[in-house]
Amino acid sequence: DAKTTQPTSMDCAEGRAANLPCNHSTISGNEYVYWYRQIHSQGPQYIIHGLKNNETNEMASLIITEDRKSSTLILPHATLRDTAVYYCIVSGSSNTGKLIFGQGTTLQVKP
Amino acid sequence: GAVVSQHPSRVICKSGTSVKIECRSLDFQATTMFWYRQFPKQSLMLMATSNEGSKATYEQGVEKDKFLINHASLTLSTLTVTSAHPEDSSFYICSARTGASYGYTFGSGTRLTVV
Repeated sequence: DAKTTQPTSMDCAEGRAANLPCNHSTISGNEYVYWYRQIHSQGPQYIIHGLKNNETNEMASLIITEDRKSSTLILPHATLRDTAVYYCIVSGSSNTGKLIFGQGTTLQVKP
Repeated sequence: GAVVSQHPSRVICKSGTSVKIECRSLDFQATTMFWYRQFPKQSLMLMATSNEGSKATYEQGVEKDKFLINHASLTLSTLTVTSAHPEDSSFYICSARTGASYGYTFGSGTRLTVV
């Protein structure tokens, strides 16, 4: 079973920041938080991941609460091409750690 | 870097025939690959984990005799859907653990339609 809870859908205006929340209250100390997105009929695309510190890359920022029970993915300037299903996943750092997908959040970026 | 190539992207087959899907890691060695299935408007469901040189580990409820997985080399894993039926029509996606900082990369998926 997925270990995360995400809102089913969200809307965001083009050019504005999109903030996607994720609850993972049962996360273990060695589990990372991964974010992937899937555009229709394509394989998932990696966005960002983190353990306990906030992370930023060219695509997004990841804010993880101090207790690690929740996180927020931030797309700073959403574009229409960011419309996709966003998945928050927690997984162990072992070499055979599986990624178990929940239902994700469908983000609709509107003009 | 860390590209996973999946073929074919689309396949239509007749009921009762078998279909093989290939997943190749192009610029890295993948000791572990994962196979997922996705039905319309649903999330990805993990089917099995394949490890190079050993038998695959299937998730509960996945028929190992129907979905044959072979991971004979560090760059190739295959999924064969045997005696396919219309209910096997789905989007199949492979993934590999890369060892890179981002951990996992996915293939582009295979749309299987059984008629």
